[in-house]
Formats: sequence, C-alpha cells, structure tokens
Amino acid sequence: EVQLLETGGGLIQPGGSLRLSCAVSGLTVSSNHMSWVRQAPGKGLEWVSFIYTDGNTHYADSVKGRFTGSRDDAKNTLFLQMNSLTPEDTAVYYCATVGGRDSYSYCDFWGQGTQVTVSS
Amino acid sequence: DIQMTQSPSSLSASVGDRVTITCRASQSISKYLNWYQQKPGKAPKLLIYAASILQSGVPSRFSGSGSGTDFTLTVSSLQPEDFATYYCQQSFSTPIYTFGQGTKLEI
Repeated sequence: EVQLLETGGGLIQPGGSLRLSCAVSGLTVSSNHMSWVRQAPGKGLEWVSFIYTDGNTHYADSVKGRFTGSRDDAKNTLFLQMNSLTPEDTAVYYCATVGGRDSYSYCDFWGQGTQVTVSS
Repeated sequence: DIQMTQSPSSLSASVGDRVTITCRASQSISKYLNWYQQKPGKAPKLLIYAASILQSGVPSRFSGSGSGTDFTLTVSSLQPEDFATYYCQQSFSTPIYTFGQGTKLEI
C-alpha cells in the first residue's frame, strides 16, 4: 500500500522559512516523478512544483525563486524548502506521486496534507 | 499558460440524478485531462485520466469524455458519497499542471 505523510507545516511569520517533508512508503521516490499541490483556505487546488526522477524541478510562477524541491533517496522522502513566505502562501500543502500511462500523467497517490499558515 | 475553466461552480442535485460537469481549456490539450474528487478535509482522489480512462477502483457510474478544449465529467446516478468538489486538471504541459477552479456538488 502506498502512503505519503507530509510534516513540517505550522505558523510562521511573513518573510520566514519552512521545510516541508513528505515521507513515502510503498514505492520508491527516486523511481517516481513527484509533485506538490497546495490549497488555500476555501479555495481550489494550485499546482506548486514537480520533481522528475532525474532530480530536475519545475515550479509555479507564484513560488519560483522562493521554493525549492528536493528529495533524499536514502530516506525515501521528498522535501519542499519554502523561503520568503507571504500570507498568500497560507494553504494546506499536499505531496503526490505522479503516475503515468503512455504519455498521460496524473497525481495518483496523495498525502493527507500539512497546514502552513503565514501570519504575524 | 493553459487556463482551465469549469462550469458550473456549484451544482445542486439529488440522489439518483445524472449530473454533468464541464471543463474547458484555453487551448487544445488533446486528451490530457484528469478529474479529481475532493471531500472536505481530505486529499483529492484521482477519478479519471486521459479524459476518459477510469482509475482503478472508481465506480463505473463516473465517466469522462471530450478532447481538444471541451471535456465533461458525468455521474450517471448520484450516490450520497458523491457529494464533493470536483476538479479538472490539464497534463498537456507536464510538468506544468493547471487545475480548474472546482465544482461543488451539493444536495
């Protein structure tokens, strides 16, 4: 059974930094593309970042230059380093595995999410 | 960037109803369209990928269709557990994903 567990969220002041973790069991993160998706309070889903199996990363314009995705293959864990946080970054952050069939990709397994609140 | 627009934003229905949600892309995305279901306080759940392929374990009352810019998600006979918010997502520009704004399906 595939399970993802996000941790590291919390209350942080504007301008601060947080590092989210996503511990994965049931599959190998280095063999799967992974993604982070967030959801602001009462809002819809927003894609945040994508990390390929080769380690290349891509980011939404709203977080580019502030957020950095990485992984620790030995710990089978995905990370999201978030710097220069603003109140607009307040959201539940989900990690997800990116599955694929033929050329189609999709987020097939999701964690339960971790809450990040940016406020003074 | 590809924009995704869902309609309606909310929908009231009853158990047993047939409902359809529409998703429109700002440019052609072939069949690179996924649908997710999200219940309050829970993570999204993949329902359909490649516009019409049902994810394993998803009830057959869910179906998807469309290609190019216009897509639909249909629930043939609503069950109580289907009341949730539904999102479309384009994967044409992977790794850059875009979600629709969501459709809340209410009783």
